[in-house]
Amino acid sequence: GIQVEQSPPDLILQEGANSTLRCNFSDSVNNLQWFHQNPWGQLINLFYIPSGTKQNGRLSATTVATERYSLLYISSSQTTDSGVYFCALPPIGATNKLIFGTGTLLAVQP
Amino acid sequence: GAVVSQHPSWVICKSGTSVKIECRSLDFQATTMFWYRQFPKQSLMLMATSNEGSKATYEQGVEKDKFLINHASLTLSTLTVTSAHPEDSSFYICSARADPGLLTDTQYFGPGTRLTVL
Repeated sequence: GIQVEQSPPDLILQEGANSTLRCNFSDSVNNLQWFHQNPWGQLINLFYIPSGTKQNGRLSATTVATERYSLLYISSSQTTDSGVYFCALPPIGATNKLIFGTGTLLAVQP
Repeated sequence: GAVVSQHPSWVICKSGTSVKIECRSLDFQATTMFWYRQFPKQSLMLMATSNEGSKATYEQGVEKDKFLINHASLTLSTLTVTSAHPEDSSFYICSARADPGLLTDTQYFGPGTRLTVL
């Protein structure tokens, strides 16, 4: 099945710093999403980005489907950005499901 | 929009009992709902896909007789953990997918239910 690897696995930032999270996947996709799981466990949709670039405030995401990776940029990080960031995409032949990546645990320190 | 609720948010039960978890889409109709399981410091693992009015489709390795799923309406799916054991302790998360064309083709997640089996 499709493999979804994220890097780095853990990241500690000082408030105000910028960061880039990466999601590598093993097969072509037509649906990729980024989520933030806050410390209470709630998953929050960040981006639906099968290709191209999108921006939402301090966050932006870019997916290069032909090279099988996606990047999530966080600028001017805040303590509320802490949590786990997941990318997720459908397995081959089952476009209604999502396979989650390994996640990046982000801790933003004041 | 696109709010999904889960109830209860946490539950503690004795080994051998059954626990039911509800997942509701509050402001949209969900033709498909999904159930995930997440162990501490790990990623989400899809357990099953449920479509309204039909039997759930379970992922490989998930016992359908242990994890009973019912999707009785377009806004409600339930997961029942039968004869729970301590190894069933986990964080269970549901998601709902709206009918494509009404919303973007994304899943919206509930807040999760933390199950502890003593």
